[in-house]
Formats: sequence, C-alpha cells, structure tokens
Amino acid sequence: AQKVTQAQTEISVVEKEDVTLDCVYETRDTTYYLFWYKQPPSGELVFLIRRNSFDEQNEISGRYSWNFQKSTSSFNFTITASQVVDSAVYFCALIPNTGGFKTIFGAGTRLFVKA
Amino acid sequence: DVKVTQSSRYLVKRTGEKVFLECVQDMDHENMFWYRQDPGLGLRLIYFSYDVKMKEKGDIPEGYSVSREKKERFSLILESASTNQTSMYLCASSTHEKLFFGSGTQLSVL
Repeated sequence: AQKVTQAQTEISVVEKEDVTLDCVYETRDTTYYLFWYKQPPSGELVFLIRRNSFDEQNEISGRYSWNFQKSTSSFNFTITASQVVDSAVYFCALIPNTGGFKTIFGAGTRLFVKA
Repeated sequence: DVKVTQSSRYLVKRTGEKVFLECVQDMDHENMFWYRQDPGLGLRLIYFSYDVKMKEKGDIPEGYSVSREKKERFSLILESASTNQTSMYLCASSTHEKLFFGSGTQLSVL
C-alpha cells in the first residue's frame, strides 16, 4: 500500500514554542519523493520542501527543519520559535516512483499558534 | 509569478445540476490534477491529465468527468451534482518537482 499518515489532527502552541509535525509514509518503492505543503487560511497550498529517497540528509531553512529517517519511514517537520503566521494546515505527501506523477497526501495537521 | 487560477472561489448549486469547475495554468505544465479536500481526509485525487485530451482516473472518480482540450485548461465536471459532492475542490499543475495549486473552489450542493 502507498500511504501517508499524519497522526496529529490539530496542534496548538504558544508563540515562540518549538513544534514538530509527524509524518509516516508507506511505500514498496525504493525510489520515491517526499514533500511538505502549507495551506494558510487563504486556502492555496504552498510547496515547502521536496526530498528524494536517496537523500537522508536533514535540511534546515530558517526556522523550518526536516528530519528524514528511512529506518522508521518518517519525514518529520519542526518549526522552531513558532510565530502566529505559521498557523496553517500542513500536509505531508509522497510520490512513489511507480505512481507516475500522482501525489499521495496525508490527512493534514492543523497548527494553531497563539500570540 | 506562476499561477493556477480557478474560476470561482465559492459556488452554490442545486442537486441534479451539471457543474463545471474551470482551472487555468500559465506555466506550460503538462500535468494537471483535480483534488477534493474534506476535513480529516486530506486531499483525494479525482482525475489527472498528462497531456491534452488525455485523462486518467484518480482515487475517487465516480460522479465526475474531466476535459482537457487545451494544455493550459483542465475542467472538472459534475454531471449531476449531489450533496455528498459538497467539498473544497483544488486544481494543481506540476513540474517533476512539485505541485502548484489554485486557491480552491468551495462548492456547496443544496
């Protein structure tokens, strides 16, 4: 089965707290791509990051960081020193190599950051 | 700035009506997609297209059809709208690297 699981439905934090959004994926393919997208209240999903299955190096972009671990099939996303503008729904997604260009999305995690 | 444009932000239709949702992209992408988004279910793929006049069923195609007569335009058609098709509909186009989304159409079927 090809599947993405985001077990956290909603998370609420206070500004400046760190928060980690969990993502677990399933695929039999050895080549695949993982993504995170952000959906702010305006509704338009915005691409955040893409990683391929051969690159397990963690990535940091400003306050955002991603931890890719093939051993646990996880691709977790951490926001450091969260801000109110981080409030959004975040989707983890998977493109298996055998799936053409079809992207499989998780159910999403809604993040509330309170001032 | 790259853009995927969906013709309506909000739409209210009656049961049994034929509904057209339009999507246009200005990036010359070959791949285009229609998703619906429902709370707790994430995004589910309805149909996608790799090229003009080509279409492929996604995970939930029942009750929907699509049309792609021109590369930049991908239309989703609800042949006879039903209340269980009330949802947020998202159009996207893609490179090999990522999806670009429109702002979505919130469709209510009464």
